[in-house]
Amino acid sequence: QQQVKQSPQSLIVQKGGISIINCAYENTAFDYFPWYQQFPGKGPALLIAIRPDVSEKKEGRFTISFNKSAKQFSLHIMDSQPGDSATYFCAADSQGGGADGLTFGKGTHLIIQP
Amino acid sequence: DAGITQSPRHKVTETGTPVTLRCHQTENHRYMYWYRQDPGHGLRLIHYSYGVKDTDKGEVSDGYSVSRSKTEDFLLTLESATSSQTSVYFCAISRQGFGGELFFGEGSRLTVL
Repeated sequence: QQQVKQSPQSLIVQKGGISIINCAYENTAFDYFPWYQQFPGKGPALLIAIRPDVSEKKEGRFTISFNKSAKQFSLHIMDSQPGDSATYFCAADSQGGGADGLTFGKGTHLIIQP
Repeated sequence: DAGITQSPRHKVTETGTPVTLRCHQTENHRYMYWYRQDPGHGLRLIHYSYGVKDTDKGEVSDGYSVSRSKTEDFLLTLESATSSQTSVYFCAISRQGFGGELFFGEGSRLTVL
């Protein structure tokens, strides 16, 4: 049972364009939604995260949009740059759950073409 | 730099041999995790630890065991490696165990022939 569904699997965007990656979750107990960025040969690293008390969070060119009723959240990368080319993972967790860490989506391989 | 060291970083082994991967942290965090990453599957939790000698199973624990005898070290053991365990293994640590940031190591690439 996949608790966090991520799409698309891969994405190609022109430099300067907007990259959009979507995730949907099933467990209504989830209350923490981070996005991780992974470059080849490296471990994932936290990019940005949101909690359900807000519908949007912005950090520089990266924005998370959150729709609690639809149980969906998305990552928007504005003015996408070649350096943003990486694999992106959405994830979810519950502060009321056990210490078993994050549930991850399957990842999106993003390529920004110059 | 979250102070996580994984070893070995690369290993090739034969089917049926035992393999141990080590995760060492310098942060003194209570929570440690082992994930495996495979194309099309993302990151899947194998085992996790919430303290010395306190461990539990994750989503894909079959064929794996773990041990944590010291706060700083979390070992992942494949008792008898199989080709399906060819993967990239990531260790992660967390300050708070849930609802918080995971810090990942750089991964251990294991190939089972």
